[in-house]
Amino acid sequence: DIQMTQSPSSLSASVGDRVTITCRASQGIRNDLGWYQQKPGRAPKRLIHAASTLQSGVPSTFSGSGSGTEFTLTISSLQPEDFATYYCLQYSSYPHTFGQGTKLEIK
Amino acid sequence: EVQLLESGGGLVQPGGSLRLSCAASGFTFTTYTMTWVRQAPGKGLEWVSAFTSGGLTYYAESVKGRFTISRDNSKNTLYLQMNSLRAEDTAVYYCAAPGMDVWGQGTTVTVSS
Repeated sequence: DIQMTQSPSSLSASVGDRVTITCRASQGIRNDLGWYQQKPGRAPKRLIHAASTLQSGVPSTFSGSGSGTEFTLTISSLQPEDFATYYCLQYSSYPHTFGQGTKLEIK
Repeated sequence: EVQLLESGGGLVQPGGSLRLSCAASGFTFTTYTMTWVRQAPGKGLEWVSAFTSGGLTYYAESVKGRFTISRDNSKNTLYLQMNSLRAEDTAVYYCAAPGMDVWGQGTTVTVSS
């Protein structure tokens, strides 16, 4: 199975800050990676698929990059509604696997 | 409106069984791979199982041999039969259609004596 190592596990930042979250795959997954946002008590919502393609309706402050084994999610200017938990998901091969999550908190 | 509605969660004793259902509407169910994802209390997301549009099934190692995914395309419904349940299976179980990023609201399974 492919392991996804996500870092950091938590992050404290302020509105307007730029933040980056990283996921590393235990083996190459091409660009078969998605980024998800989850708020408490809610189902996850996909922000990015294919490593860098923004889902329709997602603000352009979100961006993704990477391929192979290293991937990043960047939020260029944090908004109040961005404080949530973020997960990466590899879907290159089954079983699909999530990263451990990054909880983004207000400083 | 595209919608997934899970049901079947509840309290079950260790070693017991439960069957979750996920009723789909608003899209052509047969053409989409469907998945189950779970989240234990206070923990991260865990991918559980998938049933592809081509009829193949896949499982996480943690549930292999105990859980069975199935689908009834005539009823637009996905199922997860969970046997030999353990305390660590306690979680909110989400049904999802990844191809459209559509998720259900989740159903809670609690395994406890």
